[in-house]
Amino acid sequence: DIQMTQSPSSLSASVGDRVTITCRASQSISSDLNWYQQKPGKAPKLLSYAASSLQSGVPSRFSGSGSGTSGTDFTLTISSLQPEDFATYFCQQSYSTPQTFGQGTKVEIK
Amino acid sequence: EVQLVESGGGLVQPGGSLRLSCAASGFTFSSYWMHWVRQAPGKGLVWVSRINGAGTSTSYADSVKGRFTISRDNAKNTLYLQMNSLRAEDTAVYYCARVRYSSSPGDYWGQGTLVTVSS
Repeated sequence: DIQMTQSPSSLSASVGDRVTITCRASQSISSDLNWYQQKPGKAPKLLSYAASSLQSGVPSRFSGSGSGTSGTDFTLTISSLQPEDFATYFCQQSYSTPQTFGQGTKVEIK
Repeated sequence: EVQLVESGGGLVQPGGSLRLSCAASGFTFSSYWMHWVRQAPGKGLVWVSRINGAGTSTSYADSVKGRFTISRDNAKNTLYLQMNSLRAEDTAVYYCARVRYSSSPGDYWGQGTLVTVSS
């Protein structure tokens, strides 16, 4: 199975801050990397797919990047954190089954 | 509007069975892969199973293989997860998710249904 390692597991940030979350795959997953946002008691919401494509309706302050030549290192960036962005973020590889998730990054208010 | 509505969760004793349903609407159900993903209380997301649009190809996580069966009824626009030999570690909220192609993300998710395995 492909292991997905997210960092950090949690972070505290202020409104307006730039936030970066990283996700590393245990082997190359090409660009089959997706990011989700989850708020307490709610279903995950797709933010970004195929490493760098923004899902329709998602604010442009969110961006995904990575893959490059290694196919293992990916980043989710929130350019200017908004109050509604405080949530838990998960990466997921859809390259092969089982389609594994990272352990999550909880973004909290500083 | 795309909607996925799970049902069938509840309290079941260890060793028992439960069948989850996911009713889909607002899209051509048979054109999409469908996945089940679960989340134990306070924990992360874990992929459980998937099925292709025709219902002819399925995959399972090792932790549920041989105990869970995914299926679909395209005439009823409904996805199922038959769960047998349930264990305490199967306790979780179970989500169904729509996926366009085999390597695509889940672009729509249901609200989830809670399964609690306890005596």
